[in-house]
Amino acid sequence: NAGVTQTPKFRILKIGQSMTLQCTQDMNHNYMYWYRQDPGMGLKLIYYSVGAGITDKGEVPNGYNVSRSTTEDFPLRLELAAPSQTSVYFCASIPEGSGNTEAFFGQGTRLTVV
Amino acid sequence: GNSVTQMEGPVTLSEEAFLTINCTYTATGYPSLFWYVQYPGEGLQLLLKATKADDKGSNKGFEATYRKETTSFHLEKGSVQVSDSAVYFCALSHYNQGGKLIFGQGTELSVKP
Repeated sequence: NAGVTQTPKFRILKIGQSMTLQCTQDMNHNYMYWYRQDPGMGLKLIYYSVGAGITDKGEVPNGYNVSRSTTEDFPLRLELAAPSQTSVYFCASIPEGSGNTEAFFGQGTRLTVV
Repeated sequence: GNSVTQMEGPVTLSEEAFLTINCTYTATGYPSLFWYVQYPGEGLQLLLKATKADDKGSNKGFEATYRKETTSFHLEKGSVQVSDSAVYFCALSHYNQGGKLIFGQGTELSVKP
């Protein structure tokens, strides 16, 4: 059972470059999320989606874009990478949005912008 | 707005010591409360949860009780092992917030043999 799969695991970008972080889940979950984890800061929500074709901003969306064309995939796009986007990125999914459901996380993508 | 505050880390303990990691929250109504654990090089995974006041979540020897009167959800374990070394996150989620999690800053635990 693969769960939530993120690629790549590590990436170094130069300032101004762009890239897409991939996230796919095989649990048929409707709700998907992108968080970033900075040292000593916990996880902050970047974007989320409640189903295919529906996305919305989280707490820290600036500099990112997302799309949700299928239930399985939720890619995160970085345009014009900046050093402030150096972080560890986690994708997560849950089956429904009642607020008391376990979230399943990918293993993370460690991104460094230099 | 909603927020979660955890005790500062890192925490270093000897094997078989008692563990407490404090967590307090600010939220309206009755959020669900969670503890997630992140082992080195891995993503987060649910350790335990409680969805209403006075509930006790438990798993792998860890426990936490949802205390509405003190807005707390402290994590405890009676005897830690080296394999418990990880980062622990307290989090909350509200029923009307689409499953979004609000996290504390995380507490790193290191257990020495």
